[in-house]
Amino acid sequence: SAVISQKPSRDICQRGTSLTIQCQVDSQVTMMFWYRQQPGQSLTLIATANQGSEATYESGFVIDKFPISRPNLTFSTLTVSNMSPEDSSIYLCSAPGTNPNYGYTFGSGTRLTVV
Amino acid sequence: SQKIEQNSEALNIQEGKTATLTCNYTNYSPAYLQWYRQDPGRGPVFLLLIRENEKEKRKERLKVTFDTTLKQSLFHITASQPADSATYLCAIYLTGGFKTIFGAGTRLFVKA
Repeated sequence: SAVISQKPSRDICQRGTSLTIQCQVDSQVTMMFWYRQQPGQSLTLIATANQGSEATYESGFVIDKFPISRPNLTFSTLTVSNMSPEDSSIYLCSAPGTNPNYGYTFGSGTRLTVV
Repeated sequence: SQKIEQNSEALNIQEGKTATLTCNYTNYSPAYLQWYRQDPGRGPVFLLLIRENEKEKRKERLKVTFDTTLKQSLFHITASQPADSATYLCAIYLTGGFKTIFGAGTRLFVKA
């Protein structure tokens, strides 16, 4: 299955600023997914990113707040824009395995704290 | 409304016993269901997948069952070890939107 490198692993940011999270996959994948996870909560899907097209956002998430780039089949970024303390969370990227039997691979997550 | 429910209370068991975790879902028709393990500060790690037409799947000390009538999956760890202590997440794959939806997870503690 794929290996995903995600960075930064953590950051503390001032409100009103933006942070870009990067995910690099060691193989080509058609779809990548971005999740948010509050402590003790489930993973909430933010958006699905396909290479060569605009990301598809879930209800409650908008492109202006969470712009996503997918320049090629191995890389994606998520930007958290104009941050507020409510954006403090863990952000994770994910990609499917080459075979559904392999499930999904996740990055190690970015722990974001907005002060 | 659509929901995936896992026991929010932590499960505490003694080493060597079998741990059983439950995942119930409402108003979904999943093509398959997955189980993941998540350790603190790490991303989830895939464990097992079971399809809608399968009743049971095994992998080493792990066993998953899937009852589409009850809309429930059970996840078993036999001969549990302290190293099995983690949060276990169930996830439903929806073919319509190619999306995976996760439950909140159940924290398992295995005592030596």
